[in-house]
Amino acid sequence: EADIYQTPRYLVIGTGKKITLECSQTMGHDKMYWYQQDPGMELHLIHYSYGVNSTEKGDLSSESTVSRIRTEHFPLTLESARPSHTSQYLCASSKTRGGAAFFGQGTRLTVV
Amino acid sequence: RKEVEQDPGPFNVPEGATVAFNCTYSNSASQSFFWYRQDCRKEPKLLMSVYSSGNEDGRFTAQLNRASQYISLLIRDSKLSDSATYLCVVNFSGGYNKLIFGAGTRLAVHP
Repeated sequence: EADIYQTPRYLVIGTGKKITLECSQTMGHDKMYWYQQDPGMELHLIHYSYGVNSTEKGDLSSESTVSRIRTEHFPLTLESARPSHTSQYLCASSKTRGGAAFFGQGTRLTVV
Repeated sequence: RKEVEQDPGPFNVPEGATVAFNCTYSNSASQSFFWYRQDCRKEPKLLMSVYSSGNEDGRFTAQLNRASQYISLLIRDSKLSDSATYLCVVNFSGGYNKLIFGAGTRLAVHP
């Protein structure tokens, strides 16, 4: 089993609130990713990181931001949540050169 | 054109059937290839890596054709528990190095 953890698993929050989704991995992987996925739909890459102090935007534009201050930690922040942010957010990590990605269990976010 | 393309299905097959999924990718510099399985409302999980020589893991066989930029997954003797969405994943190298997921192919195995 992969050692990558996301908290919270489920979050229901009001519009306008600031939220941070946590993601931590204990595998020492350099690369980490955030994907967004709506029910029954495909995964969309929204952020990725090659290592500490490296962050890049993914293929799907997102109002969220990320940081990578420590190798094992890659939190995602929404400054002001909106109902359009309702989705599942999946964090993953992989070794630097061509390795498979391992996923956390996801955070299911509902903004009301 | 999408970077990784898959037939969305669904594939509805009886138990015991053999089913094959195909995937094409656009970047010829791609270096790593994988098949993932995703159950409903769960995270994707690595099913198997795909090697140039082809590889097998029990009832599952993966093939890679670099010349045609094509990957396949064959499932023999389908089980009810094989029902899931199968995702083709490609690691694009070059100036950037990130995993690109296909939209997935849904498989439903019925009794």
